[in-house]
Amino acid sequence: KQEVTQIPAALSVPEGENLVLNCSFTDSAIYNLQWFRQDPGKGLTSLLLIQSSQREQTSGRLNASLDKSSGRSTLYIAASQPGDSATYLCAAYAVDNAGNMLTFGGGTRLMVKP
Amino acid sequence: DVKVTQSSRYLVKRTGEKVFLECVQDMDHENMFWYRQDPGLGLRLIYFSYDVKMKEKGDIPEGYSVSREKKERFSLILESASTNQTSMYLCASIPLGSGGEQFFGPGTRLTVL
Repeated sequence: KQEVTQIPAALSVPEGENLVLNCSFTDSAIYNLQWFRQDPGKGLTSLLLIQSSQREQTSGRLNASLDKSSGRSTLYIAASQPGDSATYLCAAYAVDNAGNMLTFGGGTRLMVKP
Repeated sequence: DVKVTQSSRYLVKRTGEKVFLECVQDMDHENMFWYRQDPGLGLRLIYFSYDVKMKEKGDIPEGYSVSREKKERFSLILESASTNQTSMYLCASIPLGSGGEQFFGPGTRLTVL
C-alpha cells in the first residue's frame, strides 16, 4: 500500500528565505503527484500537479519536481513571504487493488516570520 | 472557475442524530470523494464514487454511508453521529482519467456533542 511521508513536519523561517519541502512515496507506480496548500480551518487549494511523465512544474515562486525512480518530490518556494504560512500537503495519485486513488502525506506546517 | 461547494462550513450535532453532509461540484467530474482530516492522522478517505449510483469504500467507511443520485452531488451520511466523528470533512472531485487534478471544497467542521 502506498505510503507518503513529508519532512519536515514543521518549519519556521525568516521572510525572504528560499526553502524546500520534501515528499517521499513508497510506490513509484503513480499517475501524478499533487501539492496542496491548506490554511487553518480551511479546505485544500491545489498548487501544482505533476504528471508521471513530467519532472517539474512551476507557478510563480513555486517549483515542484518529481523523481519517480527515487520516490521523491520537492516543493521549492522562492523568496518566502509571511503570506506563505500554511500547511503544505503532497498527495500521490494511483489506483491500487483496493481502488483507492489518492494518498496524502502528513503535511509540513510552514511559518514565515516577518 | 472550477468549484466544489459544501453545504455547511460549521455544524454542531448531538450524539445519535442523523447527519447529512452535502457536496456539489459544477465541473461535470465523474469521480467524487469524501475525506476526514484529524490532527496527527492527516487526511483519510471515507468513501468515493466514480459514477452516479456507484460507490466504493475508502480506508475508514465504518459509521458512514454515501449517496450519489446525481453526477454533481455526493452526500455523506452519518446514520447515528458519535463523538468520535467530530472532525473536518473535506469533499473533492476529479475528472475521469489518470491525470486528473483533485479539487477540494472548503470543508465542513463537524462537532458531535
